[in-house]
Amino acid sequence: GENVEQHPSTLSVQEGDSAVIKCTYSDSASNYFPWYKQELGKRPQLIIDIRSNVGEKKDQRIAVTLNKTAKHFSLHITETQPEDSAVYFCAASMGSNYQLIWGAGTKLIIKP
Amino acid sequence: DARVTQTPRHKVTEMGQEVTMRCQPILGHNTVFWYRQTMMQGLELLAYFRNRAPLDDSGMPKDRFSAEMPDATLATLKIQPSEPRDSAVYFCASGTGLAPYNEQFFGPGTRLTVL
Repeated sequence: GENVEQHPSTLSVQEGDSAVIKCTYSDSASNYFPWYKQELGKRPQLIIDIRSNVGEKKDQRIAVTLNKTAKHFSLHITETQPEDSAVYFCAASMGSNYQLIWGAGTKLIIKP
Repeated sequence: DARVTQTPRHKVTEMGQEVTMRCQPILGHNTVFWYRQTMMQGLELLAYFRNRAPLDDSGMPKDRFSAEMPDATLATLKIQPSEPRDSAVYFCASGTGLAPYNEQFFGPGTRLTVL
């Protein structure tokens, strides 16, 4: 079955710098890759997603890139701000299967 | 702004007691997921439903856990008997089921503490 690995488990960056979180997946049939953000004590929420027919997608300070050949995708956050501090989860889905296969999460710490 | 609701938000119980958690998915959503999240782990899928039918509950300890959808507006997760290792936050999520767009909308979670 599908397996998603996420790295690093913890990432600490200076405010204003960029942060990159990487995920790899095992099943080449996966075609949908969302990223969720979970603030402390809150529910996970979708922040950006990408489908396999697209290589990159941006939304203001966040972007996701997908490399289908290498089977990995990454979340990029530029000009990080204190409110970016959270746990970020990547996931993969084969589309016709309704469930998401989740990465283990990355705790992002923004240092002032 | 439609949201998934969960009750109770917090539950403290003693080992051996029955625990029932409830979830109201967003109206019109036909897929419902139950997740467990502990401090040391990510999101662990326990069970999920499509059109009220269980599709996969392989992540759920069958001897003590059960999940049902009595109707389209209510999903329940029961633990009987509860054990201290069940202490976690339990999230319910719902989705439209329109593949390949599989966004899941999470409820606020039920924080369960089993003493």
